Amino acid sequence: ETGVTQTPRHLVMGMTNKKSLKCEQHLGHNAMYWYKQSAKKPLELMFVYSLEERVENNSVPSRFSPECPNSSHLFLHLHTLQPEDSALYLCASSQVAGENSPLHFGNGTRLTVT
Amino acid sequence: DQQVKQNSPSLSVQEGRISILNCDYTNSMFDYFLWYKKYPAEGPTFLISISSIKDKNEDGRFTVFLNKSAKHLSLHIVPSQPGDSAVYFCAATSGTYKYIFGTGTRLKVLA
Repeated sequence: ETGVTQTPRHLVMGMTNKKSLKCEQHLGHNAMYWYKQSAKKPLELMFVYSLEERVENNSVPSRFSPECPNSSHLFLHLHTLQPEDSALYLCASSQVAGENSPLHFGNGTRLTVT
Repeated sequence: DQQVKQNSPSLSVQEGRISILNCDYTNSMFDYFLWYKKYPAEGPTFLISISSIKDKNEDGRFTVFLNKSAKHLSLHIVPSQPGDSAVYFCAATSGTYKYIFGTGTRLKVLA
């Protein structure tokens, strides 16, 4: 498998549930990102990991908890979410964080919080 | 404050003609700019980029132009094809891991 793979593609969860989003990149990149895309809004950066260390936590509520066990895998753990958290969550990777190189995105997880 | 703006939410072009998508930015520290294409139910796909030391970059049917004095970039697609119908995002960064995206322009190429 190539590129950036995200699972699941769709997720419906209640406000009291706990779930996790998974991302895997097969590009040999050293940086991984979580972005949120809400309707009619630009992509919002949530978290950045460079060489498995978190370098950015963009004022994201604590109900979102990232984990990067190695440079190929990234998780977003979700708990006690709100309906306004419903959005498309995109994972991306790049060769190095902080150097001008393109982001490569996965196909996203469409999250619905009921 | 939106640092990267795409003021046209949609654009329709006839097949075979030129598509011109525009993007404006406000942060003069941005030095690397990118264009992405997004189909429904897929993630954004990287198309082309340009560094601030250049004013033009070409890749096949896609050309990006950068006008630093006007803080404006544009993506030209020639000739446009029906498969180019998608949402196009511009993005900018200043050598950090923070890529700022516009809200997108939906391009429809009419056969």
